[in-house]
Amino acid sequence: DAKTTQPTSMDCAEGRAANLPCNHSTISGNEYVYWYRQIHSQGPQYIIHGLKNNETNEMASLIITEDRKSSTLILPHATLRDTAVYYCIALYNFNKFYFGSGTKLNVKP
Amino acid sequence: ETGVTQSPTHLIKTRGQQVTLRCSSQSGHNTVSWYQQALGQGPQFIFQYYREEENGRGNFPPRFSGLQFPNYSSELNVNALELDDSALYLCASSRGGSDTQYFGPGTRLTVL
Repeated sequence: DAKTTQPTSMDCAEGRAANLPCNHSTISGNEYVYWYRQIHSQGPQYIIHGLKNNETNEMASLIITEDRKSSTLILPHATLRDTAVYYCIALYNFNKFYFGSGTKLNVKP
Repeated sequence: ETGVTQSPTHLIKTRGQQVTLRCSSQSGHNTVSWYQQALGQGPQFIFQYYREEENGRGNFPPRFSGLQFPNYSSELNVNALELDDSALYLCASSRGGSDTQYFGPGTRLTVL
């Protein structure tokens, strides 16, 4: 499975869009990009996933570059409750998620 | 709420003891994966069970073992506990080995 690189932390003002980048330059054609988040010591929460095309659901949007070497998770209107660690995962073998260290998103009033 | 439940919520054991953690999967899911999350780190994959058979294992010693039952609930057993086994243990269920995983709230294990 491809490894991902994410910034250690990011700040975002409440009500603004939060754009969380992820680099997965070694991703293969069959590997999906998954995003989860974890709010302090709770179980990780599924956000969104995609293969090639951009995806949107009620929580977020996922933008994957054409070469698939990077992606961006967009929370359109961040709230204080979106403060969490966000994990970007690239995987092919669904029996093993590699979480990495994630990005700590701090949403500030 | 994902419908995945874990018990107990918290547990304190002493070094050398054995522990069993339990996980009930979401309705309709036949696959359970277990993860260990040490403080300040991301979750680390332990193993996965699909239809009662082990379906992949991470870099954990044999004293970490598991079971999956006909109703697809699962147990994680850890023998000869070490201090470094102190962690949050997470289980996740999915519809088959090739689907999105949904996580339970975790069990916090402290080894003294």
